[in-house]
Amino acid sequence: SQQGEEDPQALSIQEGENATMNCSYKTSINNLQWYRQNSGRGLVHLILIRSNEREKHSGRLRVTLDTSKKSSSLLITASRAADTASYFCATDADVQKLVFGQGTRLTINP
Amino acid sequence: DAGVIQSPRHEVTEMGQEVTLRCKPISGHDYLFWYRQTMMRGLELLIYFNNNVPIDDSGMPEDRFSAKMPNASFSTLKIQPSEPRDSAVYFCASSLGGSGGNYGYTFGSGTRLTVV
Repeated sequence: SQQGEEDPQALSIQEGENATMNCSYKTSINNLQWYRQNSGRGLVHLILIRSNEREKHSGRLRVTLDTSKKSSSLLITASRAADTASYFCATDADVQKLVFGQGTRLTINP
Repeated sequence: DAGVIQSPRHEVTEMGQEVTLRCKPISGHDYLFWYRQTMMRGLELLIYFNNNVPIDDSGMPEDRFSAKMPNASFSTLKIQPSEPRDSAVYFCASSLGGSGGNYGYTFGSGTRLTVV
């Protein structure tokens, strides 16, 4: 079964609004990562948050991690059309590999 | 570095034919992963290598699939014989360390395989 499960499966918002995606996982982790996939392309690493961190920022991205609830959220502020993509969380319950969730498909409407 | 390089970008083949997908990882990365992505099943890990040695091939669907990594700069995924249900996008990714550390995995652009 998938270690990470994203929610919602799909999200459609207007340009300029904030987008929030959630990820839940089942077992203890060392770190959690978020990736973006544009249509027809490979996944691109966005940000990593370690299990001893609660929040991390990178540009318009804000990631939170709640290890007690085994959940993480990715917030994209002031969304742009170029943010349209699928977003995946990945966890390292097995230190030799990441396990990816099913992804959230984000559409930014102009 | 040019990133992870996969070839071909697109492959259309007839059922029963052999298909070989190729990957050149980032120089210095010690892990290489092969994934398959479909709408129905999402992103599936097929096999991964550490220092050119296959570590876990439990995701390989069946004996028709095989993967090799003869050296640190090249890996192949072979399907023989191919079937229509193998149609998918196949990604290769490499990393420094199994979970990729601060930089995560670097993915190639993928090979879109269509078996007719």
